Amino acid sequence: NAGVTQTPKFRILKIGQSMTLQCAQDMNHNYMYWYRQDPGMGLKLIYYSVGAGITDKGEVPNGYNVSRSTTEDFPLRLELAAPSQTSVYFCATQGLAGESEQFFGPGTRLTVL
Amino acid sequence: GENVEQHPSTLSVQEGDSAVIKCTYSDSASNYFPWYKQELGKGPQLIIDIRSNVGEKKDQRIAVTLNKTAKHFSLHITETQPEDSAVYFCAASSLGAGSYQLTFGKGTKLSVIP
Repeated sequence: NAGVTQTPKFRILKIGQSMTLQCAQDMNHNYMYWYRQDPGMGLKLIYYSVGAGITDKGEVPNGYNVSRSTTEDFPLRLELAAPSQTSVYFCATQGLAGESEQFFGPGTRLTVL
Repeated sequence: GENVEQHPSTLSVQEGDSAVIKCTYSDSASNYFPWYKQELGKGPQLIIDIRSNVGEKKDQRIAVTLNKTAKHFSLHITETQPEDSAVYFCAASSLGAGSYQLTFGKGTKLSVIP
């Protein structure tokens, strides 16, 4: 099992460009999360999903969009990229309701210039 | 919302010594407190967690203590080894609709000197 996979690993964007960060899991987990990690800071929750077709905002959702059409995939869309979105992005999954461990992917390092 | 403060930001210890990292939280409704280890270039990985109905939990060389009255919890690593060198994050959350919306501290970079 691959667990949680994220693509791409690295990306450089120009201001105003758009892109989609991909997250896929083969753990059959209902819950999925997107976090961003800025240098010297902890992770901040962007969006999360409790199952296919259901998404909700986290602490820092502005400038991002998500969709969850399948259990396996949870893409994060950046529209009109800004330098403030330069960060490392992590996707995570969680199993059944009440199970607490979140499993993180390897991350995508995004630079907006 | 929840706010989690973590100290120290960096910690250097000699191999074999103990390391202690402390966190405080603000929301008395929080009932779940995990600790994550992040190695360079990787995603965080859960190393231990504690729920609010427990005061202490231990797993081999790692232990976590929780003081709900004071709203603080701590990670204790004994007999440290070079492979313990990493960034450690504490987090706090309350369970909502089956999901945990974690609020993380800013992290502690632990260096174990051989």
